[in-house]
Amino acid sequence: GAVVSQHPSRVICKSGTSVKIECRSLDFQATTMFWYRQFPKQSLMLMATSNEGSKATYEQGVEKDKFLINHASLTLSTLTVTSAHPEDSSFYICSARGTGLTDTQYFGPGTRLTVL
Amino acid sequence: AQSVAQPEDQVNVAEGNPLTVKCTYSVSGNPYLFWYVQYPNRGLQFLLKYITGDNLVKGSYGFEAEFNKSQTSFHLKKPSALVSDSALYFCAVRDLYNAGNMLTFGGGTRLMVKP
Repeated sequence: GAVVSQHPSRVICKSGTSVKIECRSLDFQATTMFWYRQFPKQSLMLMATSNEGSKATYEQGVEKDKFLINHASLTLSTLTVTSAHPEDSSFYICSARGTGLTDTQYFGPGTRLTVL
Repeated sequence: AQSVAQPEDQVNVAEGNPLTVKCTYSVSGNPYLFWYVQYPNRGLQFLLKYITGDNLVKGSYGFEAEFNKSQTSFHLKKPSALVSDSALYFCAVRDLYNAGNMLTFGGGTRLMVKP
């Protein structure tokens, strides 16, 4: 299957700082990229959807000014957690899907964010 | 609205025995169904999907799933479980002909295969 990479895999930061997470589709063009958050022993919670060149669409309850998403190209999306706080600590997973109606959605390996 | 139910939080099976992880779904249009597996501290790996056609879908690592329209189910199966199959399994659905529709995930089922 197609490969989605995510960087970094793990980050520890101080409260109040900003953290950027990169998501890349390595062997296909991702028209649409998704960002999820996963709490321990829980399913994935969709945070936002972004289409290349457009503003991201955020799910209800997700602060767009706190979680900045940029989908600048067909292979790269970034999530920036601004002014991070301990409650933002979580496992963040990106996902990418191509243009076809039946394209599979592939997932990155995830980023473990710990805010001290 | 669409939804996915995975009724079992955990499934325990002995190595070498067949395994089944259950999934039922609800979607207003045509179902486009997926199974993903997640190992600890990792993202989701795609296992298999059903679009149309044969109700029995074969996927990675010897897994297969059977689409049952009347029961709105898409159970994951494997004839002989391996200890390395122990992981968290997610079923997901979206409306096939509505590309704007997002994937909806079940709550996940933890599979424990004991030697």
